[in-house]
Amino acid sequence: GDSVTQMEGPVTLSEEAFLTINCTYTATGYPSLFWYVQYPGEGLQLLLKATKADDKGSNKGFEATYRKETTSFHLEKGSVQVSDSAVYFCALTAGGTSYGKLTFGQGTILTVHP
Amino acid sequence: GAVVSQHPSRVICKSGTSVKIECRSLDFQATTMFWYRQFPKQSLMLMATSNEGSKATYEQGVEKDKFLINHASLTLSTLTVTSAHPEDSSFYICSARSIPGTSGGSYEQYFGPGTRLTVT
Repeated sequence: GDSVTQMEGPVTLSEEAFLTINCTYTATGYPSLFWYVQYPGEGLQLLLKATKADDKGSNKGFEATYRKETTSFHLEKGSVQVSDSAVYFCALTAGGTSYGKLTFGQGTILTVHP
Repeated sequence: GAVVSQHPSRVICKSGTSVKIECRSLDFQATTMFWYRQFPKQSLMLMATSNEGSKATYEQGVEKDKFLINHASLTLSTLTVTSAHPEDSSFYICSARSIPGTSGGSYEQYFGPGTRLTVT
């Protein structure tokens, strides 16, 4: 079945540091890929997405590129802020009849210190 | 933006009782809603897919008679945990998939803030 593997956390960085959270996936066909963020006490929010190979999703300074050859969708940000502290989930959804059913990675806790 | 609410946000109940959790899309219509369960420090596990006006589709290993799902309208789905036991204690999250054109997106999923269930 489909699966998503994220780098294990927690990740602790100083403000303005470079962030990378690795995500690899296993899926049949051509899935769409997502990064969701969950701030403390809130629901998941879509951070960015990519729907086909070589697409780059970006939002709020975060970027991720859909790499079909390495089955990866790593999340990056050049300069993190304290307000980026949250849990980040990589996810995929397959096409066809299962469209919309999200398969999540285990989540990575990010803490950014001033 | 599209908002999904859940009620209650937190509930404590005694073992053997039933608990109903509501999931509402506040400013868009959703023919499909999803129910997830999240264990501490773990990922979200899809429990079931709820389609308006039809029976829910449950994931393998999820007891449909224990987790009753009703999706009576385009803006409301409910999850009822029947005869709850301490092992049902968890964080339950719903998401609603928008109908293209009603929220500016195409089949976007929007998540509720979750419901913390504690069974004593």
